[in-house]
Amino acid sequence: DAGITQSPRHKVTETGTPVTLRCHQTENHRYMYWYRQDPGHGLRLIHYSYGVKDTDKGEVSDGYSVSRSKTEDFLLTLESATSSQTSVYFCAISEPGGENEKLFFGSGTQLSVL
Amino acid sequence: GDSVTQMEGPVTLSEEAFLTINCTYTATGYPSLFWYVQYPGEGLQLLLKATKADDKGSNKGFEATYRKETTSFHLEKGSVQVSDSAVYFCALSATSGGSYIPTFGRGTSLIVHP
Repeated sequence: DAGITQSPRHKVTETGTPVTLRCHQTENHRYMYWYRQDPGHGLRLIHYSYGVKDTDKGEVSDGYSVSRSKTEDFLLTLESATSSQTSVYFCAISEPGGENEKLFFGSGTQLSVL
Repeated sequence: GDSVTQMEGPVTLSEEAFLTINCTYTATGYPSLFWYVQYPGEGLQLLLKATKADDKGSNKGFEATYRKETTSFHLEKGSVQVSDSAVYFCALSATSGGSYIPTFGRGTSLIVHP
């Protein structure tokens, strides 16, 4: 199995508080992604990174920011959590191109904003 | 932009029945195509992939053929088992503005009864 871990696995927080989710990889993959998964919407891309300090927005980036100061870590921050951000968050990594191209996913973080 | 459309679920089958989950895509260029599977409480994992037209991906009895003429990548299995109950996601990967951004369908839930 690919070395990718998410923390925390579960988080309950209150509206208006900041929250940071962490994704850590040991595969030295260039690309890292944050998705959220909601019923009826499948997986939606929040932000992604293609290298240290190189990040870009996905389709649902409003209310989220990210940082990647090291190859192995990709942080997702909710500056001021809202109830609409209650979701399951998945981190994924990839080294695109070639026959081994695929995404590896973490186990997810269940976030509840009350 | 790129998109993936897959049949809505849930798909409910009896054990040993034949499975088809339809997937069609729109993309510029020549994307790679993937099926991922998500078991309850877990992240997604790659089931199979195909990187060029007419390629067939296969794994664990599942198959899908990359059909460029119909822009489709339908998932099939000849005889499903209870253990195949999961959510299945069709996905494509393509380069957009120099970045590698996977696109997912909304997922299809499969329920297999004994």
